[in-house]
Amino acid sequence: SYELTQPPSVSVSPGQTARITCSGDALPKQYAYWYQQKPGQAPVMVIYKDSERPSGIPERFSGSSSGTTVTLTISGVQAEDEADYYCQSADSSGTYVFGTGTEVTVL
Amino acid sequence: QVQLVQSGAEVKKPGASVKVSCKASGYTFTDYHIHWVRQAPGQGLEWMGWINPNTGGTNSAQKFQGRVTMTRDTSISTAYMELRRLTSDDTAVYYCAAKERSGSFDYWGQGTLVTVSS
Repeated sequence: SYELTQPPSVSVSPGQTARITCSGDALPKQYAYWYQQKPGQAPVMVIYKDSERPSGIPERFSGSSSGTTVTLTISGVQAEDEADYYCQSADSSGTYVFGTGTEVTVL
Repeated sequence: QVQLVQSGAEVKKPGASVKVSCKASGYTFTDYHIHWVRQAPGQGLEWMGWINPNTGGTNSAQKFQGRVTMTRDTSISTAYMELRRLTSDDTAVYYCAAKERSGSFDYWGQGTLVTVSS
C-alpha cells in the first residue's frame, strides 16, 4: 500500500492563511479528501474530490492539487480551526489510506 | 437525519476477539459502503477496510487481512467489524463511516473504545 505524507504541525496567527500539504505517488490519479478532527470527536470531512467543499463547511476551507501533492488551505484562520487535519485517498482497487496527520495550532 | 450509532466500549484480554456494531438510519443502508477506521491513543487515523452492504463484498488493509471480518445485516441496517487475536496494540477508538467513493456522502459513528488489557 502507498503512503501519504503530511507535515506534523503548522502554526498560524488568527486571520492568516494556513496551508497543509499531502504528498503521495497515487495522488495524480486518485481523488483526495481532507478531514478535520478535534479532540474527542469523530473526523469531519472538509474537502472531497481534491477541491469540493461539503455543505456546511465554511468557504475559508479550500483544496487544490498539483502532481503528487494536494493542499488544504484555510484562509482567514479562526481559533475554532485549531485541530488535527488528515488527508485520505484510495488506490484503484478501493484500498484507502490516511495521511500522517497535521496538527494546526492557532497562535 | 443520517445517523450511525455504534455499540458501547469493550474491554478484552489479549488473544480474544471483539465485535463492534454500527447501526445506520436516515438513508438507504445498501446505497453506501461502510468503512472502518481506528485511532490508537494519541495516534493518527488508520483505515481498516470497507464492506459493501448491498453485496457483502469487502476490502481491507493488508495489515488486517486474516484478522478482521466485516459483515452486515441488511434487515436491521447494521454493519459489524470483528477483530481477532487482539493485542495491546489494538487498543483504540474504532469508528464506522458511511461513505460514497466521490466523498459527497460521508457520515461517521461516534466511535467505540476497545481496550485490550490483561
